[in-house]
Amino acid sequence: DAMVIQNPRYQVTQFGKPVTLSCSQTLNHNVMYWYQQKSSQAPKLLFHYYDKDFNNEADTPDNFQSRRPNTSFCFLDIRSPGLGDAAMYLCATSIAGPETQYFGPGTRLLVL
Amino acid sequence: RKEVEQDPGPFNVPEGATVAFNCTYSNSASQSFFWYRQDCRKEPKLLMSVYSSGNEDGRFTAQLNRASQYISLLIRDSKLSDSATYLCVVNGQTGANNLFFGTGTRLTVIP
Repeated sequence: DAMVIQNPRYQVTQFGKPVTLSCSQTLNHNVMYWYQQKSSQAPKLLFHYYDKDFNNEADTPDNFQSRRPNTSFCFLDIRSPGLGDAAMYLCATSIAGPETQYFGPGTRLLVL
Repeated sequence: RKEVEQDPGPFNVPEGATVAFNCTYSNSASQSFFWYRQDCRKEPKLLMSVYSSGNEDGRFTAQLNRASQYISLLIRDSKLSDSATYLCVVNGQTGANNLFFGTGTRLTVIP
């Protein structure tokens, strides 16, 4: 049974065309995270929500925004994707704090 | 300086070999430590948490050395299915929700 679900699994967008990636969880975890992972690199945390509290990493570009309308769902909005934004985007959840994180399968974004 | 540093490898070992990975972290206030496994083009999955006293799970043993700020993972009797990238993960600071990932060490087990 899928616990962290990401849609779509693959997303192709055009340079500058806004795109939204979605994540949902059935675990009822308090914390949801968005990571960006490029080839052969570590997952890089973009931001996370602890319940409704939004926490942005200092080096996350303004081009990236997030919404968490309820406990189960979290969205990543890329307002004007550039070629450098092509990556795997991973959503993760944890019960609270720096506990074990459960990852979704990721959305692979391609920017043309 | 990176929060977490790992030897990227690759490590190519024969089946049955014992292999060890090390990882260093920069924040002495870090409290939570993990090893994750990531298969090619898949998401990271928790392999094991790392406790101060060290812990073992079957063929896998994790150790933490707080004084030197490093973490190790030992894999005994390597299987073909162990081929993956192993990510060292550390929390940023006491009470923080975020985790920092190393770039991973790639392991290939050869028949």
